[in-house]
Amino acid sequence: AQSVTQPDIHITVSEGASLELRCNYSYGATPYLFWYVQSPGQGLQLLLKYFSGDTLVQGIKGFEAEFKRSQSSFNLRKPSVHWSDAAEYFCAVRHTGTASKLTFGTGTRLQVTL
Amino acid sequence: EPEVTQTPSHQVTQMGQEVILRCVPISNHLYFYWYRQILGQKVEFLVSFYNNEISEKSEIFDDQFSVERPDGSNFTLKIRSTKLEDSAMYFCASSAVVAASDTQYFGPGTRLTVL
Repeated sequence: AQSVTQPDIHITVSEGASLELRCNYSYGATPYLFWYVQSPGQGLQLLLKYFSGDTLVQGIKGFEAEFKRSQSSFNLRKPSVHWSDAAEYFCAVRHTGTASKLTFGTGTRLQVTL
Repeated sequence: EPEVTQTPSHQVTQMGQEVILRCVPISNHLYFYWYRQILGQKVEFLVSFYNNEISEKSEIFDDQFSVERPDGSNFTLKIRSTKLEDSAMYFCASSAVVAASDTQYFGPGTRLTVL
């Protein structure tokens, strides 16, 4: 069965510092991968997604992610974090054989210090 | 920008009571989903719905749960007899097409508290 692991439960970075949030997936074929962000009291907003082509994908709010098949990873990065980036970040995988469910990781809570 | 809306934002109920959570998907979307997130845990898939039928459901989605699209705009999740363990944030989502690369757009969620 497909699964997603986000090894870091909580990360704290200083504003202006770079950020990398880790995501590893377990899936037999090429997965469709997503990063969502959840701000307090808000729903899940899509940051970016990968389904084919260039393994480095650009998203909204200055985020990017790189798909590495050899490492089964899809890490999210941002070169310079802003205080407004404080939120919970979820990596998710979607089965290529069905268009239905997303399987989410447990999330990483990002705290930004000023 | 179109968005998925959910009502109520917070629902408190007594154990054993029925609750209906409401969602208005994005207007031209055809595929609808419910997910839930128990406090401190991951977001979990409950059910997907298309063409007035359930497409897929998880083990969580037992006989106590049902979904319905009662009219052209609403999509509801009913829990017939709530249990303490049903306390969670419930998210509705919709997508335009069924392609796996398509984006699911999520609503802000309904926090259900069962006492």
